[in-house]
Amino acid sequence: DAGITQSPRHKVTETGTPVTLRCHQTENHRYMYWYRQDPGHGLRLIHYSYGVKDTDKGEVSDGYSVSRSKTEDFLLTLESATSSQTSVYFCATGSGGGDTQYFGPGTRLTVL
Amino acid sequence: QKEVEQDPGPLSVPEGAIVSLNCTYSNSAFQYFMWYRQYSRKGPELLMYTYSSGNKEDGRFTAQVDKSSKYISLFIRDSQPSDSATYLCAMSASDRRKKLVFGTGTRLLVSP
Repeated sequence: DAGITQSPRHKVTETGTPVTLRCHQTENHRYMYWYRQDPGHGLRLIHYSYGVKDTDKGEVSDGYSVSRSKTEDFLLTLESATSSQTSVYFCATGSGGGDTQYFGPGTRLTVL
Repeated sequence: QKEVEQDPGPLSVPEGAIVSLNCTYSNSAFQYFMWYRQYSRKGPELLMYTYSSGNKEDGRFTAQVDKSSKYISLFIRDSQPSDSATYLCAMSASDRRKKLVFGTGTRLLVSP
């Protein structure tokens, strides 16, 4: 357990509203990742960070932005939520050794 | 075609059975191979990690990697009902971004 917390754990919102999900880690890991998990698609990478203020896009980044101003926090923002963004969102961290990643408990987001 | 293929299952076995879970992949650059276990409504937890080819054993779990065939396996001996979960394979080409590619997961059901 890499000491990863996600907030909120559950959220219901309406189409068109902005949403921010927070990931907080206590392990001082350099790498942080945001995934979404959907039936039939598995885990898909949205954005990742390889250091403070260093971020890059994953395979499903459209409609999402991220920010990392501190080592311990990685924020995922949906600028204008759509129903297709209804999903379970996981944050993960990695120290870089062996490429292993450790996951948070997830945020279940429903966009109506 | 996906980079990593994994049978979604479900795979149903009786308690005490030997379970074999598998993934195939297409990218010959993958060097790090992982298995994650995910219980319902929880985040994935790292179960096994292997570098390059070969076997690794940890208690009732054995991970095998055959890079020549682009095939990895996870064996569970003396399966227990508590092993009922979804098992995700993941792999990395060990570039500096430390990104993982996941299979979609195999759901395992172990009946008492």
